[in-house]
Amino acid sequence: QVQLVESGGGVVQPGGSLRLSCVASGFTFSRSDMYWVRQAPGKGLEWAASITFDETDKYYVDSVKGRFIISRDNSKNTLYLQMNSLRVDDTATYYCAKKGAAWGNWFDPWGQGTRVTVSS
Amino acid sequence: DIVMTQSPATLSVSPGERATFSCRASHDIGRNVAWYRQKPGQAPSLLIYDASTRATGIPARFSGSASGTEFTLTIISLQSEDFALYYCQQYFTWPPFTFGGGTKVEI
Repeated sequence: QVQLVESGGGVVQPGGSLRLSCVASGFTFSRSDMYWVRQAPGKGLEWAASITFDETDKYYVDSVKGRFIISRDNSKNTLYLQMNSLRVDDTATYYCAKKGAAWGNWFDPWGQGTRVTVSS
Repeated sequence: DIVMTQSPATLSVSPGERATFSCRASHDIGRNVAWYRQKPGQAPSLLIYDASTRATGIPARFSGSASGTEFTLTIISLQSEDFALYYCQQYFTWPPFTFGGGTKVEI
């Protein structure tokens, strides 16, 4: 079955960096657009970044532009999120998700998430 | 950006009853809406896409509908696992993809 497993979260000081990974299995990763969605503690969902299957296009929510970089390695079935200049308000659980269908940009499935805490 | 407004924020119902809650889009988004359920301590999971199509494996007690810019999720005969958070998401105009603020269904 389709599975997404995130890792790389942790505690980091403001201004620091982290790289999140998401290993995919059970589908043809190299043909699927992928997403990162985050959820601050006790808050709702916020789309953070997207990448097309071939890395041609990358998109970011305004609040992370210039600080986060989404990338992928199709040979390793892995999605990444490089997070730089981290701020306290980046504290959240970060989920990776797969594009639900070729014709529709819903998110399905989601990984279990990895928690990022930015604190001094 | 498209703003998705969910209501109510919290809905109190009893097991076996029906729950209905809505999501209003700030602009016309056609039927480009998905619904997700997030059980406590878990990741969200897809329930409905294209406003009314149930995702694979989702039971028939879940149904979605659309009228203009208003989208509704109905759950008939609530089961214990249905007491959770529910989010709508639009994918008509992006970036950014946007979510509603969530509806918590509680006992």
